[in-house]
Amino acid sequence: NAGVTQTPKFRILKIGQSMTLQCAQDMNHNYMYWYRQDPGMGLKLIYYSVGAGITDKGEVPNGYNVSRSTTEDFPLRLELAAPSQTSVYFCASSSPLATSYNEQFFGPGTRLTVL
Amino acid sequence: AQSVTQLDSQVPVFEEAPVELRCNYSSSVSVYLFWYVQYPNQGLQLLLKYLSGSTLVKGINGFEAEFNKSQTSFHLRKPSVHISDTAEYFCAASNSGGSNYKLTFGKGTLLTVNP
Repeated sequence: NAGVTQTPKFRILKIGQSMTLQCAQDMNHNYMYWYRQDPGMGLKLIYYSVGAGITDKGEVPNGYNVSRSTTEDFPLRLELAAPSQTSVYFCASSSPLATSYNEQFFGPGTRLTVL
Repeated sequence: AQSVTQLDSQVPVFEEAPVELRCNYSSSVSVYLFWYVQYPNQGLQLLLKYLSGSTLVKGINGFEAEFNKSQTSFHLRKPSVHISDTAEYFCAASNSGGSNYKLTFGKGTLLTVNP
């Protein structure tokens, strides 16, 4: 199993550009999450999904959108990039067999810079 | 809402010394607790978790943590650290009922092991 994969690893955007961060998992996990990590701030939840076709906002959803058309994929879209979105983005998933315990598996991250 | 406080943002120690990374959580209801480790430029991986039962939890790489309900703490310990333990450590919590698929993370503790 590849686990949770994310592409790209790095990206530089200009203000106002759009992009999609890709996330895929091959563990048949129902739950998937997007976080952003800023220095000294820990991880903040952007959006999450409890299954295909179901998404909901997390703590910091403004400026982002998600979709979940399949169990495996959970892309995160930035429509109008702003410098405040410079961050490291992590995708995670959790197992339906351990849903109550919420053990999450993380991807390697995407480092995004908006200039 | 759950909150997690990591009391030290940075902990420098010498190789082979013991270390304790402190974590407190806010909720008085039943809670699941986790410690994750993040090595430089990598994603997060699970070190250990407390779900129920014995309050002393053993994890990977010689780490252990003790759940203390009266003090709402879940401190991480290792009796003798190695250079390779240099990383950022995150404490996380989720409630055992209701919206238990969401994790709340602390802001992280950077452990630096010096020779």
